[in-house]
Amino acid sequence: NAGVTQTPKFQVLKTGQSMTLQCAQDMNHEYMSWYRQDPGMGLRLIHYSVGAGITDQGEVPNGYNVSRSTTEDFPLRLLSAAPSQTSVYFCASNTAGGLGDTQYFGPGTRLTVL
Amino acid sequence: TQLLEQSPQFLSIQEGENLTVYCNSSSVFSSLQWYRQEPGEGPVLLVTVVTGGEVKKLKRLTFQFGDARKDSSLHITAAQPGDTGLYLCAGAGGDYGQNFVFGPGTRLSVLP
Repeated sequence: NAGVTQTPKFQVLKTGQSMTLQCAQDMNHEYMSWYRQDPGMGLRLIHYSVGAGITDQGEVPNGYNVSRSTTEDFPLRLLSAAPSQTSVYFCASNTAGGLGDTQYFGPGTRLTVL
Repeated sequence: TQLLEQSPQFLSIQEGENLTVYCNSSSVFSSLQWYRQEPGEGPVLLVTVVTGGEVKKLKRLTFQFGDARKDSSLHITAAQPGDTGLYLCAGAGGDYGQNFVFGPGTRLSVLP
């Protein structure tokens, strides 16, 4: 099993450009989520999905869109990149089995918006 | 909004020393997790605590969940350079109990 994979690993965008961060998992997990990590702020939840076709907003959803057409994939779209979106983005997945679930994280995408 | 605070923010110690890091909140969580993150990688789960007062041990690491399920501590005995990393605590919340609120982390450096 590859676990959770993310592409690209690094990306530089200009303000106003759009792009999609890819995330895939091969563990048949129902629950997937996107976080951003900024210095001194820990990880903040952007969007999450509890299954194919179901998504919801997290703590910091503005400027980002998601969709979940399959169990395996959960892409994150930046509609019009802004410098405030410079961050490291992590995708995670886990089973929706209740308390004590293990979240598995991908290796992250480091995004810089100029 | 549920918030988690961690202290200290930075910690630099010599190999062989003991240390404790703390995770505190004014909110009650159904469970609390500790992760370790190394540079350029995603966080990796160390432990989950669910019951108030629960203590779990993982080799030289001891985790405790507060009686009121609002706080937790991580104690490392005889720290080694391999323990170096960012330690994050995360409390479970949300409608499904699956959304995790993360603390800002404690960055630990263990010097040989």
